[in-house]
Amino acid sequence: DAGVIQSPRHEVTEMGQEVTLRCKPISGHNSLFWYRQTMMRGLELLIYFNNNVPIDDSGMPEDRFSAKMPNASFSTLKIQPSEPRDSAVYFCASTRTGGSYEQYFGPGTRLTVT
Amino acid sequence: DQQVKQNSPSLSVQEGRISILNCDYTNSMFDYFLWYKKYPAEGPTFLISISSIKDKNEDGRFTVFLNKSAKHLSLHIVPSQPGDSAVYFCAASGPSGAGSYQLTFGKGTKLSVIP
Repeated sequence: DAGVIQSPRHEVTEMGQEVTLRCKPISGHNSLFWYRQTMMRGLELLIYFNNNVPIDDSGMPEDRFSAKMPNASFSTLKIQPSEPRDSAVYFCASTRTGGSYEQYFGPGTRLTVT
Repeated sequence: DQQVKQNSPSLSVQEGRISILNCDYTNSMFDYFLWYKKYPAEGPTFLISISSIKDKNEDGRFTVFLNKSAKHLSLHIVPSQPGDSAVYFCAASGPSGAGSYQLTFGKGTKLSVIP
């Protein structure tokens, strides 16, 4: 079975550019989570969706960040405009609600903003 | 305000010995706890979990202990193997039944198992 798929794996962009990160959750999972990992703050939840609906976006740092889930098999996290402090590894994870709390993570996207 | 704390950023253990990774939490509403393992350039992978109705859960070489009164849990790996070298994250969720499946993570402990 395919796990959570994220693209791109690496992204290098210049400050001010728009960045779009993509995620395909595991088939049959109905909750999707976006995390950001930095040395200073560790692994922090940005936003999560349940049945394609955003439930909690309190972790989204600024209005420059937005996330969408147009259908059960695809989500995007967009940063516009990007800034050097957005450099981090961004993870997507999914789970099936009603079961355990175990979340399955993708391999992450390493974002570098110069 | 960190609700889940892993106070040891790193730990080195000899192969074959026991590795003990610790985690403390402050939110008394947490009632389900998980450990994840992360290799470089990969996403975290689930290792073992425990519900607050238990104080111990074992899976092969991995055992998680929960002390609710102290708000403390630990992961024991016996015997430790070089392949166990990774960053270990403690995570917590709850309250169960509230409809939230969010996890709150600690900052991780890097375990190095020396051959």
